[in-house]
Amino acid sequence: EVQLVESGGGLVKPGGSLRLSCAASGFTFSNYRMNWVRQAPGKGLEWVSSIKTSTICIYYADSVKGRFTISRDNANSSLYLQMNSLRAEDTAVYYCARSPGTSSDCSWNAFDIWGQGTMVTVSS
Amino acid sequence: DIQMAQSPSSLSAFVGDRVTITCRASQGISNYLAWYQQKPGKVPELLIYSASTLQSGVPSRFSGSGSGTDFTLTISSLQPEDVATYYCQKYNTAPRTFGQGTKVEIK
Repeated sequence: EVQLVESGGGLVKPGGSLRLSCAASGFTFSNYRMNWVRQAPGKGLEWVSSIKTSTICIYYADSVKGRFTISRDNANSSLYLQMNSLRAEDTAVYYCARSPGTSSDCSWNAFDIWGQGTMVTVSS
Repeated sequence: DIQMAQSPSSLSAFVGDRVTITCRASQGISNYLAWYQQKPGKVPELLIYSASTLQSGVPSRFSGSGSGTDFTLTISSLQPEDVATYYCQKYNTAPRTFGQGTKVEIK
């Protein structure tokens, strides 16, 4: 079964850090682009970050640029999001999602599989 | 950055009605447009990609159309299980922006 399972969420104080993980199974992880999307309570979906490989085609939303770092470990079929200098407005459910694609360029496809999400709460 | 605007923000219709949701990009995005369905308390699911291609397993009452800046999601005959919020997204280049969502309810 194709599956993405996020972990690492929790309660953190403003200015603190958190590292989210996403464990993939049921598919060849290295063949897929990966993404993080968040959803604040009662709000819509917000794209956060995307990664093709560890060194190229890495992107961030302006709202997290300089504070968040996306990375991946293909050997362990895992995606990560290191979140530093957290703010109250970062409070959200964080989803990882995959995008099919094997081309050598930085083109992207829609997000076809999503994890169940992990909640991050930034509050004092 | 390209902005994605959905309308309406919410709608209420009868079972069996034809429902149309629109999504407008502030600049042309060719057909790099996806639609997602998020049922209450659930994870988003991909309905349509490339503006009009139905994802495997999605009922045929859902369809998508458009190219460039104007796109449409149509539910040909609304069913109770279609109660959800629907989002469009431009995905080919970053930022991979979502529309603000359209909440669909049953009258």
